[in-house]
Parts: sequence; structure tokens; C-alpha cells
Amino acid sequence: GDSVTQMEGPVTLSEEAFLTINCTYTATGYPSLFWYVQYPGEGLQLLLKATKADDKGSNKGFEATYRKETTSFHLEKGSVQVSDSAVYFCAFSFSGGYNKLIFGAGTRLAVHP
Amino acid sequence: EAGVAQSPRYKIIEKRQSVAFWCNPISGHATLYWYQQILGQGPKLLIQFQNNGVVDDSQLPKDRFSAERLKGVDSTLKIQPAKLEDSAVYLCASSPYSSSGSEQYFGPGTRLTVT
Repeated sequence: GDSVTQMEGPVTLSEEAFLTINCTYTATGYPSLFWYVQYPGEGLQLLLKATKADDKGSNKGFEATYRKETTSFHLEKGSVQVSDSAVYFCAFSFSGGYNKLIFGAGTRLAVHP
Repeated sequence: EAGVAQSPRYKIIEKRQSVAFWCNPISGHATLYWYQQILGQGPKLLIQFQNNGVVDDSQLPKDRFSAERLKGVDSTLKIQPAKLEDSAVYLCASSPYSSSGSEQYFGPGTRLTVT
């Protein structure tokens, strides 16, 4: 069935380290892909998105590229900061559908000084 | 611009009791969503409204859960009677459009504990 598989956490990094959080999806058609982030004590918020194959979403130094051939949307950041500590959720919505989001389980990132 | 408002933020009830959650979406947003997020899992859509009408309630346990959207603005989600497995965070979200790729704006959630 339709699903999202994310890298299990927690991911623990030192400040300025390189971050990758893997995400693969199973869906029919050409879904739109998203990364949402939840900072401590706050609600979910959109980090970045891509709506077609080979598109790259970017925001706040984070990037992810829509790879249709590998059904992946891995999140990367070249140099993480303590303020990036949060839970990151990969998600997709079906093309032609009503924008229902299918989420992965989330990956907790902890960045230490 | 005010965000999505939800209340209460926390609720503790005993099993078989009833509970209701309230959501006020961002002004002008036609689409409203209720998600259930169980600890350690991603959010799962329970019901989606487009203005006053329901467009997806396929994962709503209709024997105990109900939801309505009054005049296409505020919404209420009710559980009656509650079960232990209903312990979760209930998230409300809204978006200006229902087309795929539209950003959803989430409220802070209501954490429900059923004892």
C-alpha cells in the first residue's frame, strides 16, 4: 500500500556536521513530496516541497531532490546548527487527489555544540 | 496572520467517556483536515473537509468518531466512547486549496490521554 519509509532516529550530530535523512515512498502516479519539521513545543510546519520529478526543494539550508527512479526524497544539509534539533517528517500527497498527506514515522535530530 | 487554533491543548479522560476537540482554521482557508498522531508514528488523516462538505473520511472510525465543520469555518471532532488506543495527539490543519502540493498549516494539537 501507499507508505513512506524514513531513516530511524534519533540522529545525533555535532554542530557543523553534514546531515542526511533518508526517505523513500511507495505511491502510484506522480505524488507531491514534502518535508515537515516539528521543533520542540511547536506545531508541524512545512520545511520544503517538490511537486515533480527532478525538482529540488530548498529552505533554511536544507535541500531535497525528487528522484522518481528511486522513489526517494532524501533531506540534506551541509552544516547543521543546534537550532536544527527537531523531528523531521517526510510526506507525500497524491497527484489528482484531495491533498491528503501520507507521513513517515519521523526522524528525531539532536545537534550538540 | 493568525495560525490554526486548537483547544484544549491537553485532555485526560477515562475509557468510555466522551471528548470533543475544537479547531479554528486560518481565515479564508477552504480545506480543513484532522489528523491523529500516535506516539512514535507520523500523523494519519482522519477526515478532510472542503468548505462544509466531507471529501475523505475513509480512515475515520465512524462507530465512535464524528466531526463537523460549522458554516465552513470552525470544526469539532468528537470521540464517544473513548478507548485506550485513542490516546494520541489530534492535529488540525488547513490549506487554502485542496489540490495536491498545497501547503497545509498545522495547529499545535490536542494531546489526549485515555486511562
